Amino acid sequence: IAGITQAPTSQILAAGRRMTLRCTQDMRHNAMYWYRQDLGLGLRLIHYSNTAGTTGKGEVPDGYSVSRANTDDFPLTLASAVPSQTSVYFCASSDLAGGPGELFFGEGSRLTVL
Amino acid sequence: GQNIDQPTEMTATEGAIVQINCTYQTSGFNGLFWYQQHAGEAPTFLSYNVLDGLEEKGRFSSFLSRSKGYSYLLLKELQMKDSASYLCAVRDSNYQLIWGAGTKLIIKP
Repeated sequence: IAGITQAPTSQILAAGRRMTLRCTQDMRHNAMYWYRQDLGLGLRLIHYSNTAGTTGKGEVPDGYSVSRANTDDFPLTLASAVPSQTSVYFCASSDLAGGPGELFFGEGSRLTVL
Repeated sequence: GQNIDQPTEMTATEGAIVQINCTYQTSGFNGLFWYQQHAGEAPTFLSYNVLDGLEEKGRFSSFLSRSKGYSYLLLKELQMKDSASYLCAVRDSNYQLIWGAGTKLIIKP
């Protein structure tokens, strides 16, 4: 079982370019999340989805969009990248149906915008 | 506003015990989580507290006091592999997780 897979693991991108970070999970979790992690700051929620077909805005949604066409996939798109979007991006999933609903994280995507 | 406070960095000796504190002010409370994150890796789940008291899991224990808005993570018999950042997170009334900035734990031989 792979858990959560993110791609790419690392990318250097020119400002103004469009970029999609892919995230796939095989745990059949209903909820999925995109976070960014910057030095000295806690994980900040960008967008989330509590179930397939629905999405919501997190703490820092500007400049990002997501879709949740099915249970397994939750891509994050930067329509026109800016240097302030240089960060490490983590996709995560959780099962909200029972238990504590802890998050399972992908390995992260390190994005540099020049 | 909502806030999670934890020390930025702590240092401890191999074989010793260390306590990492977390205080929080959130809109409601639906559980507190501790995660471990090694450098360059993803966070991994350590513990969950929703009721007051101590939860023990091997060398790691986590304590919660909801009335004080306080939790701690206790690590016993420290090993070099415990060198990592420890993240405290609280689930608020909207079931969103509020994250602390993390405590970097350095273990010295």
